[in-house]
Amino acid sequence: GAVVSQHPSWVICKSGTSVKIECRSLDFQATTMFWYRQFPKQSLMLMATSNEGSKATYEQGVEKDKFLINHASLTLSTLTVTSAHPEDSSFYICSASRAFYEQYFGPGTRLTVT
Amino acid sequence: DQQVKQNSPSLSVQEGRISILNCDYTNSMFDYFLWYKKYPAEGPTFLISISSIKDKNEDGRFTVFLNKSAKHLSLHIVPSQPGDSAVYFCAASDRRGSQGAQKLVFGQGTRLTINP
Repeated sequence: GAVVSQHPSWVICKSGTSVKIECRSLDFQATTMFWYRQFPKQSLMLMATSNEGSKATYEQGVEKDKFLINHASLTLSTLTVTSAHPEDSSFYICSASRAFYEQYFGPGTRLTVT
Repeated sequence: DQQVKQNSPSLSVQEGRISILNCDYTNSMFDYFLWYKKYPAEGPTFLISISSIKDKNEDGRFTVFLNKSAKHLSLHIVPSQPGDSAVYFCAASDRRGSQGAQKLVFGQGTRLTINP
């Protein structure tokens, strides 16, 4: 149990376009989902915390208008990178939580903006 | 401000020997610590955790030690196996006074290579 999927696993888009990444908890209901970003050979940096039915809480320095997060149901959260630029190229990972301490991570999405 | 630090970017260990991965933290409010294993292009998978009320937690080949006074934790893997080759991240959270799932602060990771 506790499987989290992400779609797509990789995406290439042109500068100026928007990209949506989906995060799904497949076999449990996730009250909270987290979105992380990882640059090559660096740590996972938390971008935002998303609770079902409410607005996401963004970490300091993360542009909420650029990284739109929607958590419409207990099994789905989406991250939309709006007006993507090459510097947004990164590995985006979501995690889903069903209990106080447990976080289950998705496989990640590689975004390349050309 | 890096609150969780893994100062060794890489570690190479002979198969069958002990692997010791280290992690330091600066925030004294952290009271729960976790270790994750990550393969390239995959999400992290949970390995083992420890609460600040303990100084040791063991699960099979994996043991985590916590030294609160030194703000230091370590992950011991014994015996090391080739399948253990991956990047290992330590993470910390502050659970006190909060409800629901907690934010994790990750270290930079240590790439462990187990040599046959």
